[in-house]
Amino acid sequence: NAGVTQTPKFRVLKTGQSMTLLCAQDMNHEYMYWYRQDPGMGLRLIHYSVGEGTTAKGEVPDGYNVSRLKKQNFLLGLESAAPSQTSVYFCASSSQGGDTQYFGPGTRLTVL
Amino acid sequence: GEDVEQSLFLSVREGDSSVINCTYTDSSSTYLYWYKQEPGAGLQLLTYIFSNMDMKQDQRLTVLLNKKDKHLSLRIADTQTGDSAIYFCAERLSFGNEKLTFGTGTRLTIIP
Repeated sequence: NAGVTQTPKFRVLKTGQSMTLLCAQDMNHEYMYWYRQDPGMGLRLIHYSVGEGTTAKGEVPDGYNVSRLKKQNFLLGLESAAPSQTSVYFCASSSQGGDTQYFGPGTRLTVL
Repeated sequence: GEDVEQSLFLSVREGDSSVINCTYTDSSSTYLYWYKQEPGAGLQLLTYIFSNMDMKQDQRLTVLLNKKDKHLSLRIADTQTGDSAIYFCAERLSFGNEKLTFGTGTRLTIIP
């Protein structure tokens, strides 16, 4: 049972490049989340999804887009990366909105 | 608005008890959580407490909640080197319950 997985683990981008981060969960969870973690700031919610085909904005959505075409996958896209998006990105999932969130191992992204 | 605060660092001698503190501002919190993050890993749920409880104990972990002062603490008895990690508290509100608000995290260092 893999739980929540994220790919890639590390990535370096140049300013203006685009990329997609993939999150996959095998727990049949309805809810999925994308967070970013920055030093001294804890985790901040970027976007989340309450089910297949749905997405919603979190606390810091600007510069990111998401898609939930399949229940088990939640994609986070950066169309034009900026140095301010250098961060560690965590995906999480839960069976319902108030239930325990299970986290992936994270993706470390550096934008030069 | 919601705000969750923690001190950034704590050092404890091996075998002593560790107490990690957290304060929050929103009195409508329904659940409060403690997560552990080991180096290079995602967040792992340690324990949680409902807002109508004062205390919860789980083996070496004791959570105390003072709703009047909006103060949450995590006590780790007989601290071991494997307890070295960053500990995050998080709150979930009754309204918009998909969202967790995280503290900045407390880095616990164990002194041999």
